[in-house]
Amino acid sequence: QQQVKQSPQSLIVQKGGISIINCAYENTAFDYFPWYQQFPGKGPALLIAIRPDVSEKKEGRFTISFNKSAKQFSLHIMDSQPGDSATYFCAASILTGGGNKLTFGTGTQLKVEL
Amino acid sequence: DAGVIQSPRHEVTEMGQEVTLRCKPISGHDYLFWYRQTMMRGLELLIYFNNNVPIDDSGMPEDRFSAKMPNASFSTLKIQPSEPRDSAVYFCASSTWTGAGNTIYFGEGSWLTVV
Repeated sequence: QQQVKQSPQSLIVQKGGISIINCAYENTAFDYFPWYQQFPGKGPALLIAIRPDVSEKKEGRFTISFNKSAKQFSLHIMDSQPGDSATYFCAASILTGGGNKLTFGTGTQLKVEL
Repeated sequence: DAGVIQSPRHEVTEMGQEVTLRCKPISGHDYLFWYRQTMMRGLELLIYFNNNVPIDDSGMPEDRFSAKMPNASFSTLKIQPSEPRDSAVYFCASSTWTGAGNTIYFGEGSWLTVV
């Protein structure tokens, strides 16, 4: 059972444009929604995360929008740069009560062209 | 801090051989996770430990896979016997609770090829 669905699978954006990646989840018990960035040959690294008590979180050029009623959240990358070219994974977990057992989406390969 | 350290970084082995992957978590972290990444299945959690105790091993694919954490600074993931379908990147990750939450830090992975 895929609990976190991610789209699109791949994305090509022009330099300076906005990259948008969407995720939807099923388990209403999830209370932590991070985005991870992965470069080729490297492990995933936390980019930004949100809890369900807020609808938006912004860190620099990266913004998470969260819609609890729709069970959806998205990553927006403003002013996309070639250095942002990587694979992005959304994830979800039940943070409260102990461990952080992440369930990942299938990933989005982002390419930012000059 | 040196981050999560995994070894070997790359391994090519023949079907039927035993494979042992090693992990040193970030010092002070009390959670350790083993993930597997493939094109077909993405990132899957295999098992995780808290304070060296296995908490959830429901993701371990079958009895050929085993994981241990004999102390707070070392864990192994063993595959015996290995099969071609085990070819994947295996990530170790660690975390702990801080005032900011529970961020999981990944190692750079062990790339396994079983021929």
